[in-house]
This record gives sequence, C-alpha cells and structure tokens, in this order.
Amino acid sequence: NAGVMQNPRHLVRRRGQEARLRCSPMKGHSHVYWYRQLPEEGLKFMVYLQKENIIDESGMPKERFSAEFPKEGPSILRIQQVVRGDSAAYFCASSPREGAAGTEAFFGQGTRLTVV
Amino acid sequence: RKEVEQDPGPFNVPEGATVAFNCTYSNSASQSFFWYRQDCRKEPKLLMSVYSSGNEDGRFTAQLNRASQYISLLIRDSKLSDSATYLCVVNPGGGYQKVTFGIGTKLQVIP
Repeated sequence: NAGVMQNPRHLVRRRGQEARLRCSPMKGHSHVYWYRQLPEEGLKFMVYLQKENIIDESGMPKERFSAEFPKEGPSILRIQQVVRGDSAAYFCASSPREGAAGTEAFFGQGTRLTVV
Repeated sequence: RKEVEQDPGPFNVPEGATVAFNCTYSNSASQSFFWYRQDCRKEPKLLMSVYSSGNEDGRFTAQLNRASQYISLLIRDSKLSDSATYLCVVNPGGGYQKVTFGIGTKLQVIP
C-alpha cells in the first residue's frame, strides 16, 4: 500500500512561470490537505479538498493559487505567475475520512519549489 | 498571540540526557493534540497523540495541561537518532481536520 505520493520532489521555476504540484493520496483516502512550509517557519494550512470539492480554502492566497481534486487522478496545487516568495516546501496529507485527526493523516514527502 | 507557540531552540543535549519541550496554545476550546517529528528536509510524521491523562510511548512522554493551555513532550535517555524538529500540533475542532502546527523545536543530540 503506497503512501502519499507527491511529484515532482523538486521543482525550479522562473519568475512568472506556472508551477503544478501533484498529490496522490493513499489508497482509500478521499480527503486531501495542502500545507506550505516556508524556510524556518511552521507548516501553514492552505486548502482542504474532497473528491471534486473544495471544502476549505481559507489558507490559500487570494490570487495566483488554486487547487483541485478531480474524480480521477491526483490533487493538483497550481501556482500561476510564481514569485520568489513562493519558494517553499509544499506538503500534502491525506486521510480516510472527514474529521480524521493526526493519527489518520499521512504526509507525502513534499515538493520543494524554488523560484529563480 | 500565535495560535500555537513553541521555542524554536535549538536544544543541544548530550546522549543519555532527558529533555523536555513545551508548547502553548491560545484556543481554549481545542480538542486534540499531537506531537510530530520532522527530520531535515523530510515530511512530518506523527510521533504520538497527547491524551488528557498523559501518555507514554517508550522513552517519550506527552502531557496535556488544559488549565494552562500547554502540552509537553519529555524524551528520556536521548539518542543521536532523536535529533530532529518536534512539531506541536493542535486540532481546534470542527467538522474536519484543520490542524495548526507550531514552528517546531529543534533538538540536536550530541555524542
């Protein structure tokens, strides 16, 4: 049973380009959470999705960021027109049900985005 | 005041020492609490949940003080492999998981 898979592991983008980060949840998990971790900072919640639905995007910047979790395929976090301040590690976590607390949420290895 | 506060450290301790970290939270209605471990440039991994009565897992002991709104993690007989950042995580409750992570406390165990 594969864990949460994120790809790419490392992504380099020039300012103004688009970044697409993918997250495949664990088998049987239909709830996905995205977090951002800036250097020397804690993880910040960005968005919570279920299949085909965004449940809570209160942590997402208002512009340039979007997320989806289609019926088929991985969850995608999309950042348009990247800026240097977007450089960070982006982690996703999945859980099997709503309200699952830390014991049932598993993290992927993260995507490290570097904007040059 | 931050929702979850931790001393970022680093805490440098010799092998075999006992070390304790505290974490304070601001939302008195918070429902569940966890300690995660994060190795350098890796993903966070659940270390242990924190129960109201306190709980122990081998060399690790976690405690919750609701009155003072803090949780603690005690590590006995520190090993070199314990070197990592320890994240305090608080679930404020609600219908879904929207946990808040502390900045983490960095522990370096030295030989």
